[in-house]
Amino acid sequence: DAGVTQSPTHLIKTRGQHVTLRCSPISGHKSVSWYQQVLGQGPQFIFQYYEKEERGRGNFPDRFSARQFPNYSSELNVNALLLGDSALYLCASSLTWTGGTEAFFGQGTRLTVV
Amino acid sequence: EDQVTQSPEALRLQEGESSSLNCSYTVSGLRGLFWYRQDPGKGPEFLFTLYSAGEEKEKERLKATLTKKESFLHITAPKPEDSATYLCAVQEDTNAGKSTFGDGTTLTVKP
Repeated sequence: DAGVTQSPTHLIKTRGQHVTLRCSPISGHKSVSWYQQVLGQGPQFIFQYYEKEERGRGNFPDRFSARQFPNYSSELNVNALLLGDSALYLCASSLTWTGGTEAFFGQGTRLTVV
Repeated sequence: EDQVTQSPEALRLQEGESSSLNCSYTVSGLRGLFWYRQDPGKGPEFLFTLYSAGEEKEKERLKATLTKKESFLHITAPKPEDSATYLCAVQEDTNAGKSTFGDGTTLTVKP
């Protein structure tokens, strides 16, 4: 079975640009969460989606948005990129949105803003 | 707000030298505590879930334990391939979809 897949794996953008990151969850998983991981730190929660509805949001500015599609894949969008947005963006899928079950992570998208 | 603190930040061991990693947490109601392993440039890989104080889980050379305030990841007779960053995360009852992570312990095992 395929695990969580993310695309692209690497991306370089200029300040002020917009970026879209994509994630396909494990087959049968309906919950997708997004995390930002800055070098040397643990992942920080951005969003959780379940059945196309937002179920949780972390402390990130409105420049960050996401959506989930009927096939449970998801997109993370970031507008007006800042240098500080450079990070590894991780997508995780799980069976439920209510927690208590492990999340399986993709390999991440390394975003560099110059 | 949930807080997770991991110590030490870095740990260097000789092959075969057992040790423990610590994860201290503050949460109003624990839904679950998770341990992950992360290799450089990759996403975290799930290791264990613990739900209540006194619970223990084992997998090969790793054993995770849980108390009401902290969790330990014990590594017995480590090998160089155990070198990685080990992350601890908690989920709270009232916001269970969100995992709060610590900053991890980077383990290096020298042959």
